[in-house]
This record gives sequence, C-alpha cells and structure tokens, in this order.
Amino acid sequence: QSALTQPPSASGSPGQSVTISCTGTSSDVGGYNYVSWYQQHPGKAPKLMIFGVSKRPSGVPDRFSGSKSGNTASLTVSGLQAEDEADYYCSSFAGSKKWVFGEGTKLTV
Amino acid sequence: EVQLVESGGGLVQPGGSLRFSCAASGFTFSSYWMSWVRQAPGKGLEWVANIKQDGSEKNYVDSVKGRFTISRDNAQNSLYLQMNSVRAEDTAVYYCARHGDWSFDFWGRGTLVTVSS
Repeated sequence: QSALTQPPSASGSPGQSVTISCTGTSSDVGGYNYVSWYQQHPGKAPKLMIFGVSKRPSGVPDRFSGSKSGNTASLTVSGLQAEDEADYYCSSFAGSKKWVFGEGTKLTV
Repeated sequence: EVQLVESGGGLVQPGGSLRFSCAASGFTFSSYWMSWVRQAPGKGLEWVANIKQDGSEKNYVDSVKGRFTISRDNAQNSLYLQMNSVRAEDTAVYYCARHGDWSFDFWGRGTLVTVSS
C-alpha cells in the first residue's frame, strides 16, 4: 500500500484558482470512484471537503470541487481565500476494505 | 452533534504495549464502520485499521498487522486500539474517524503516542 502522490506545495493569490493533483494506480484511484479530500489546519483534525470524487458535504463552500481522470484525481479551489491556507490530503479506497492517503500538499495563499 | 474524543495516549517504551480509546457521541455508533488514522510528527496521514459495525470484520495496514488490534464496544459507544511490540516509527497522533459515504466524515482531535526509551 503505497501513499498516493501529491505535490508537496501549491500556491495562489486571493481570488485565484489552484488545482492539486493526486496520482495513484488502477488498484486505488483509477479503480474506484471513492476519492475524498481533507483539509487540515495546523494542530487541528482533518476535515472532509470532497467525497465520491466530486461531492461536497453540507457546509463546504462550492469554491471547492473535485474531479478524476484515469489514475489521477484533482482538487480545485476557486476564489482563494486566506482561510483556505492549509494542508490538503487525498484518500482513496484501495480494495479489500483498505484505504490509502496521499502525501499531502501545503497550500499557501 | 457528532463527537469523537480520543484518550489514553502517552509515552511507551519500544517493544511495549498501549491501549487507547475513542468515545463516540451524537450518532448511532453501532451503525458505522470506524477507523484509526495516524499522523507522525510533521508527516502525512496514514490509515491504520478499520472495523465493521458489529466488530466481525477488521482490516489493517501491513505495517501494523499482527501487532495492533482494533476493537469496539457498541454498548459503551467506544472504539479501541491495542498496540503491542511498538516501534519508534509508531510515534504519531492517532485519530479516530467515522466512515461516511466512502470517506472519513468525522474525526476526533487525536491522541499522541510517543515510543521512546
């Protein structure tokens, strides 16, 4: 079970858009539409932002969107705001009731 | 309001054992798969183990298989992780997380486990 590959960092100015990628294999990201994304501020617990590749939980702004193509999933944050500065992790079901997370991306606004 | 509160972490010597717990409230605990997810200092998230609603199925990441045991007590709305033969690389904040729609929809604040002599 290898961690999913994410860029270590991403950045954008307030109001801009940024996209974070998450690359796995056909055994995880590419094999299931069960990719989720989590936001983690320093010293805090992760928060679910996207599930099922592109669905938003209640209360998550529609500035956050998700997509997937082949073995790579993506999280796009539009209209960047200062409070979006955080670490972001992708996760995927990996079969056999097991899960895998990405390495994490530090988003700087 | 869904709440998950971990407790019982601490300092343990290499090769030693530790058991810690997660108290759940605000939802029907017995209706959900539950997981433990850990985060080593300055590192990313790692899924550790999960358990089915009735405790009949348990799954583990390869690195802890045979050393860690996940369990639950639905009458007490509690989730547990028993760690045996611990190693330095098990040092992490351990989060309790509820399984939602093919995701982890609620998380506790975590409990720190430090493996050191």
